Amino acid sequence: AQSVTQLDSQVPVFEEAPVELRCNYSSSVSVYLFWYVQYPNQGLQLLLKYLSGSTLVKGINGFEAEFNKSQTSFHLRKPSVHISDTAEYFCAVKPALGAAGNKLTFGGGTRVLVKP
Amino acid sequence: NAGVMQNPRHLVRRRGQEARLRCSPMKGHSHVYWYRQLPEEGLKFMVYLQKENIIDESGMPKERFSAEFPKEGPSILRIQQVVRGDSAAYFCASSQGQNTGELFFGEGSRLTVL
Repeated sequence: AQSVTQLDSQVPVFEEAPVELRCNYSSSVSVYLFWYVQYPNQGLQLLLKYLSGSTLVKGINGFEAEFNKSQTSFHLRKPSVHISDTAEYFCAVKPALGAAGNKLTFGGGTRVLVKP
Repeated sequence: NAGVMQNPRHLVRRRGQEARLRCSPMKGHSHVYWYRQLPEEGLKFMVYLQKENIIDESGMPKERFSAEFPKEGPSILRIQQVVRGDSAAYFCASSQGQNTGELFFGEGSRLTVL
């Protein structure tokens, strides 16, 4: 089984400042890793994913994340946030092999509030 | 827009009534997933279905909850004899079936039990 821990439930940040959202996971098998964003009253949208290859992954809207296998982390970063980045961000994992379909295990989410 | 369509968006039920939530996956997608989001919590997996088959229902409560994805028509999540603790947002997601983890989510159905 897998589990995901997002260490910060809320992150306030000023506009144009950088932001980092932390994600750690636990798994006995290799995993794929994902970040999803949920804007108010909407469903989740995929920001980026790590399947294999380069550990630095670039996603939409200027976000990037780095996979660190030794620390079992997949932190999300953006160098300069906009008001429109106010949303909830979810880290998720799924087993890379041996699991049919796309059943994801999500972390508890991090609310980002961008202040002007 | 041929995205994942969920209805109703908002549903109010009294304790003991039944709630039916519907989900039409994206065009070309034959895999459907239901997740529940309780207030101030993340998404919890409930069930994974393909057409006419339940693949994984490990997250479904043992009683009162059921799901189906018939050959024709939307997937339905059914909650019988609702209780206040069932109040949550229920999200449906779909995928084509490749195992790369990308799910396409609907906007959710928000159930309130009075």
